[in-house]
Amino acid sequence: AQSVTQLDSHVSVSEGTPVLLRCNYSSSYSPSLFWYVQHPNKGLQLLLKYTSAATLVKGINGFEAEFKKSETSFHLTKPSAHMSDAAEYFCVVSLQDGYGGSQGNLIFGKGTKLSVKP
Amino acid sequence: EAQVTQNPRYLITVTGKKLTVTCSQNMNHEYMSWYRQDPGLGLRQIYYSMNVEVTDKGDVPEGYKVSRKEKRNFPLILESPSPNQTSLYFCASRPSGTLGGDEQFFGPGTRLTVL
Repeated sequence: AQSVTQLDSHVSVSEGTPVLLRCNYSSSYSPSLFWYVQHPNKGLQLLLKYTSAATLVKGINGFEAEFKKSETSFHLTKPSAHMSDAAEYFCVVSLQDGYGGSQGNLIFGKGTKLSVKP
Repeated sequence: EAQVTQNPRYLITVTGKKLTVTCSQNMNHEYMSWYRQDPGLGLRQIYYSMNVEVTDKGDVPEGYKVSRKEKRNFPLILESPSPNQTSLYFCASRPSGTLGGDEQFFGPGTRLTVL
């Protein structure tokens, strides 16, 4: 079975300090992994995605994530937090069909709320 | 502009009064899906459609119906809404196949309150 676990429901950092949002996944096949961000009262925006190319993936707004197969992790990082980063972040895995293809269905983690203190 | 649109954006209704939330995309995507978002639970899939006239249940389909008569539209129907369907609903679409890394494009959301 494929699943995704976000290890922290809430993370608080000070502006200018690094951000680390943790995500572990479970997948029988080579997964596609995503991070989406949701700002307050807004829709979902794709931050970045991993699809079996480079293991270090760079996204928008200075975020990046590293796919580590041995640890089944896909943690999201940013070197220096900005006030505008305050939002909820979702780690997402795309269901694979076992034939190298994708059903298209996504499984969402429960989300991590990032607070940024001045 | 390529986008997924949902209407209405906000809706307050009463138990048992049938309602429909519309979803439309202008990207010629084959795949469309509905999710509900509840605090602490993330997004959970309600129904999805791989193409016209092809729909299937997601993880939480009870109390919902969908139809896919046209490629661009995927309405969500609540025949007899109940308070436990109070939630934030998102529609999403993506092209078929594996090219593009399976990214889904999300609508702006519909906040539904059932009294």
